[in-house]
Amino acid sequence: DAGITQSPRHKVTETGTPVTLRCHQTENHRYMYWYRQDPGHGLRLIHYSYGVKDTDKGEVSDGYSVSRSKTEDFLLTLESATSSQTSVYFCAISGRGIEQYFGPGTRLTVT
Amino acid sequence: AQSVTQLDSQVPVFEEAPVELRCNYSSSVSVYLFWYVQYPNQGLQLLLKYLSGSTLVKGINGFEAEFNKSQTSFHLRKPSVHISDTAEYFCAVSPQGINSGYSTLTFGKGTMLLVSP
Repeated sequence: DAGITQSPRHKVTETGTPVTLRCHQTENHRYMYWYRQDPGHGLRLIHYSYGVKDTDKGEVSDGYSVSRSKTEDFLLTLESATSSQTSVYFCAISGRGIEQYFGPGTRLTVT
Repeated sequence: AQSVTQLDSQVPVFEEAPVELRCNYSSSVSVYLFWYVQYPNQGLQLLLKYLSGSTLVKGINGFEAEFNKSQTSFHLRKPSVHISDTAEYFCAVSPQGINSGYSTLTFGKGTMLLVSP
């Protein structure tokens, strides 16, 4: 398995609070991605990174920001969480190949 | 832009029976194709991929898929399923001709395979 961890694995938070999810990889892969998974929607790309301090928006980026200060860490921040951001969040990485490898996910509930 | 349609949201099947999970895609450029599997409460695991060459691709756990360019399809098959194959399966595509290592995956909405005794 690719060395990808996500923290926390579960989180419950209140509407309006800031939340940061962390993705950590030990593969030294250049590319990292954040997705959200919702029933009936499959996975949708939120943001991705193509290097340290290099990030770009995906399909559903509104309400989210990201940062990557080190190759191994990619942070996803919800500045002010809303109930519509209740979801399962997955981090993925890719390196020499085209395929992406996924972390175990973070289940976020916004009440 | 690409889009992926998985025609069945659920496929119930008995153990040891064959199964086919259907995937069709739309794209104005050539694509790479992938199938991922997600077991309950886990992340996605790559089952198989088509990048080039033979259109019949074999993956892990006895699964295989066939790329049909004229039909824009990439159906997943297994000749005999097990209870342990119960999971959600996702088809995904990525456009060709981009930087090595970087891909923009577009996913289908998933097909839940339910294997019963």
